[in-house]
Amino acid sequence: DSGVTQTPKHLITATGQRVTLRCSPRSGDLSVYWYQQSLDQGLQFLIQYYNGEERAKGNILERFSAQQFPDLHSELNLSSLELGDSALYFCASSPYRLGTATNEKLFFGSGTQLSVL
Amino acid sequence: AQKVTQAQTEISVVEKEDVTLDCVYETRDTTYYLFWYKQPPSGELVFLIRRNSFDEQNEISGRYSWNFQKSTSSFNFTITASQVVDSAVYFCALSEGPSGGSYIPTFGRGTSLIVHP
Repeated sequence: DSGVTQTPKHLITATGQRVTLRCSPRSGDLSVYWYQQSLDQGLQFLIQYYNGEERAKGNILERFSAQQFPDLHSELNLSSLELGDSALYFCASSPYRLGTATNEKLFFGSGTQLSVL
Repeated sequence: AQKVTQAQTEISVVEKEDVTLDCVYETRDTTYYLFWYKQPPSGELVFLIRRNSFDEQNEISGRYSWNFQKSTSSFNFTITASQVVDSAVYFCALSEGPSGGSYIPTFGRGTSLIVHP
């Protein structure tokens, strides 16, 4: 058990809908990452938050947004869903501390499998 | 830009065989980190090893060993005497940086290892 909790585990929805994926990082971790895993694109970095602030952005669509709350949990919002958004969405957290020179490993949640029909 | 290539899409072996998973990376940074993660059928990615660019020592951990060669930009992973429980998708990842204060790992496409009894 990595200590990272993602809910829900499975989500089935229709095109055009909006969904919210939730992530609770490991206790003490300030950094949260969101990744999308699909057969076409592999494991793609979407966005990173550190202590409530957005720190880095990857290949995240404009229809997608995320936030990290004061209690450090994070939510990924996916709107106007398309068939191609079907994928496994991972959240990961890291003990990384801003300003340090050490690149810490990531602890991954078990993912949310999103199916858009 | 950082890039990770895992040319082997799928490897199939019989139990007790040795198997090597290849990873080739590209980076312009002199400081970077390399990782291997394992994704078993349950889906959650699990960290295996981290190596920074200044540490070319090979590492052995039980049946696992890693060969880091900067001269060929490779970070290969060998499993000795493979077991059925080793069946999983293995990802190599590279993290330059920091970029904007963050280290963002880029993952290869993964190698699916199937170990037959």
